[in-house]
Amino acid sequence: AQTVTQSQPEMSVQEAETVTLSCTYDTSESDYYLFWYKQPPSRQMILVIRQEAYKQQNATENRFSVNFQKAAKSFSLKISDSQLGDAAMYFCAYRSGTNRDDKIIFGKGTRLHILP
Amino acid sequence: NAGVTQTPKFQVLKTGQSMTLQCAQDMNHNSMYWYRQDPGMGLRLIYYSASEGTTDKGEVPNGYNVSRLNKREFSLRLESAAPSQTSVYFCASHKSGTGGTFGRGGRNFFGPGTRLTVL
Repeated sequence: AQTVTQSQPEMSVQEAETVTLSCTYDTSESDYYLFWYKQPPSRQMILVIRQEAYKQQNATENRFSVNFQKAAKSFSLKISDSQLGDAAMYFCAYRSGTNRDDKIIFGKGTRLHILP
Repeated sequence: NAGVTQTPKFQVLKTGQSMTLQCAQDMNHNSMYWYRQDPGMGLRLIYYSASEGTTDKGEVPNGYNVSRLNKREFSLRLESAAPSQTSVYFCASHKSGTGGTFGRGGRNFFGPGTRLTVL
């Protein structure tokens, strides 16, 4: 079975600085997708960034980028120029590319605090 | 296009009471899911439905039942609520990818969540 591990329950970063959230996963599949979701206090689940395992290039979305290390099964999220609005819970997640059920497996989350 | 909707948004139950959480999506998605979120545990899959007429257990199905009433609706029922079921419940749906905006692999959509407290 696939698992997703986030080893940092909480992190803090100064506003305008850069922070990296860690995520590792375990799978025997070669075709899969990885995600970072943001959950602000409103509880809304917001997709931040997505990586397809067969793509070697790291995904980037404005100030958000990932470091995808397929062999190491590592998928970290880098937030550049941190803003107060980035404060939230961040979840790393995995979805199989071969299973027909398309279910997502989540890590336990990292709460990110932005210090003004 | 309302996306994924959930009712109610908040609910307080007494131990032993029953209730049904409703979820609906208007995006014609095949797959739907119920998750629960607890502090320090992330989101854990309770049940899912890969297509209309099928349901399967997820990671934490005990104490719950589901019904995929039609393609739009996927309900979660607590027959005899227990304090351990105090949680935030999320419904989600999945759009399969065939290219276009969401590319290969599609995208998951989440409802706003239901906060359930069992006393």
